[in-house]
Formats: sequence, structure tokens, C-alpha cells
Amino acid sequence: KQEVTQIPAALSVPEGENLVLNCSFTDSAIYNLQWFRQDPGKGLTSLLLIQSSQREQTSGRLNASLDKSSGRSTLYIAASQPGDSATYLCAVPQGAQKLVFGQGTRLTINP
Amino acid sequence: GAVVSQHPSWVICKSGTSVKIECRSLDFQATTMFWYRQFPKQSLMLMATSNEGSKATYEQGVEKDKFLINHASLTLSTLTVTSAHPEDSSFYICSAQDRVGNTIYFGEGSWLTVV
Repeated sequence: KQEVTQIPAALSVPEGENLVLNCSFTDSAIYNLQWFRQDPGKGLTSLLLIQSSQREQTSGRLNASLDKSSGRSTLYIAASQPGDSATYLCAVPQGAQKLVFGQGTRLTINP
Repeated sequence: GAVVSQHPSWVICKSGTSVKIECRSLDFQATTMFWYRQFPKQSLMLMATSNEGSKATYEQGVEKDKFLINHASLTLSTLTVTSAHPEDSSFYICSAQDRVGNTIYFGEGSWLTVV
């Protein structure tokens, strides 16, 4: 059974800093890994999808890496802004369709 | 673009009543839809997988008679919480898988409060 863990559970940093969020998964036989953002009381917004054959994906100030062999992914956020404050979730498929989510990292960017 | 719409966004109901939440795929057809629930400060937990025209597959520990799921068309799935109790109060999110590209899109979620 796939398990996904995210560390840290919460993170607070000053505006402008670069930061890294971590995600680990127990079963390395994954098709892809996704990072999502969730604002309080809202649904999910997909940020980045990394296929199993890829090492990283970039979108603007976001960069996600994937190391299948070690069961790890990181989400790097450059030059953080207060608008980046949200909960960030990573998820991997279990089987063909189900997604298994981590607990999330609650990120606060202080102005 | 592809969007998943959930309705209502929030609902308050009395204990013992039933409440229905709709999940619609806009601009695409979804053979598979997923229902999740999320308690405060916890991650999403998959409740069930809904396939159009067939019975939903429930995750272990989810009562199928309490959480009725209907996926009658390629664009609509409904979750009915029957005989709701305060412990059912939660945030419910659906997602839909595009039958063409297999991309999964998430709805905005529905807040349920049972009083």
C-alpha cells in the first residue's frame, strides 16, 4: 500500500526567501507525481505533474524534482511571495487511477 | 477549459436529514469521478471511485449505504449523505478524469455542516 509523507507539516518564512518542500513515498513504482496547492476552504489547484521518466518540471517560480529510486520529490519555490501562502500537497497514483495524498505542508510567507 | 463544478459550495443541514452534492464536468466527459473528504488540517481521503453507468467502488471503512454515489451520465456524479450526523461535517471534494486525455481535474469542494 502506497503511503505519502510530507515534511515539514508547517513552514513559515519571510517574503523573498527560496524554500523547499519535501514529499516521500513508499512504493517507487509510480507513473507520476503531482504537486497541488490548496487555499483555505478551497479545492485543489494542480501545480506540476512529473512523469516517472522525468527528473524535474518547472513552472514559473516553481520547480519540482523526482527521484523514484529514493522515493522522494521536492517542490522548490523561488523568491517566495505572500500570495504563495497555502497548503501544498503531493500525490502519487496507486494503481491506474487512485491518488494517494500526503498530509500537506502549510506554508506561510510573511511580508 | 476543462472545469469541474461542485454544487452546493456549502450547505448546512439538520441531523438526520439527507443532503446531495453534485459534481459536474464542464467541457469534457468523465467516465470516472472520485469523491474525497477532508477534515480540518488533514489531507484528502478517497471515499469512492465512481464509474459512469456502474456501481461505485468504496474505500475500506466508507459506508456505501450512508454515502450514496450515483454516476448516471458522463458529466454528472452525485454524492448523497444520508441520515447525516454532526460527525459527517467535512469538506467534500470531487475530481473527474477526462476520458480523452486521462487528465484529472478537481472541483472547488463543498462544505457540509450538520447541526
